[in-house]
Amino acid sequence: AQSVTQPDIHITVSEGASLELRCNYSYGATPYLFWYVQSPGQGLQLLLKYFSGDTLVQGIKGFEAEFKRSQSSFNLRKPSVHWSDAAEYFCAVGAQGNEKLTFGTGTRLTIIP
Amino acid sequence: DAGVIQSPRHEVTEMGQEVTLRCKPISGHDYLFWYRQTMMRGLELLIYFNNNVPIDDSGMPEDRFSAKMPNASFSTLKIQPSEPRDSAVYFCATGGSGGNQPQHFGDGTRLSIL
Repeated sequence: AQSVTQPDIHITVSEGASLELRCNYSYGATPYLFWYVQSPGQGLQLLLKYFSGDTLVQGIKGFEAEFKRSQSSFNLRKPSVHWSDAAEYFCAVGAQGNEKLTFGTGTRLTIIP
Repeated sequence: DAGVIQSPRHEVTEMGQEVTLRCKPISGHDYLFWYRQTMMRGLELLIYFNNNVPIDDSGMPEDRFSAKMPNASFSTLKIQPSEPRDSAVYFCATGGSGGNQPQHFGDGTRLSIL
């Protein structure tokens, strides 16, 4: 069975600083990987996805993520955060041929001026 | 382009009452998922459908929970009778076919059982 670990429950970053949110997965084959963002009172919005190919994936809102098979990681990055990036971020993993996703417990991002 | 539409957005009711949550998927999406989100347990998959047929309901917590998808445009999640521990945010998400397409989420129903 697949699993996802987001080791950071809460991260605080200054506006304009760089950001990296960690995600580690467990799955025997090549996984399908996703990052979602959830703002208060809203549903989850897809930021980016990795299925195959280039291991550096570009997403919306200036985010990117890199798939590293050797480390079983899919960390999310942004070079310069904006106050509007404050939200909860979820990493998710899926298996080929199975539409179910397994979500991590989320990382809450706080931006300070 | 309308997204996933859930209703109601908020529901407050007394324990023992029947609760019905509704979801209108994105047109053309073959998969529909019901999730529950709480602080303690995070995001849990309750059940999902493919082409209106339930595929996996192993996440449904108890017989008090039931879900239906009578057609491609509508799904319901029903709790009867409701209990205070059912209080949570319930999300509906839908996805297209063709291999692990991303799931698109509605804005959720915040359910409070008193």
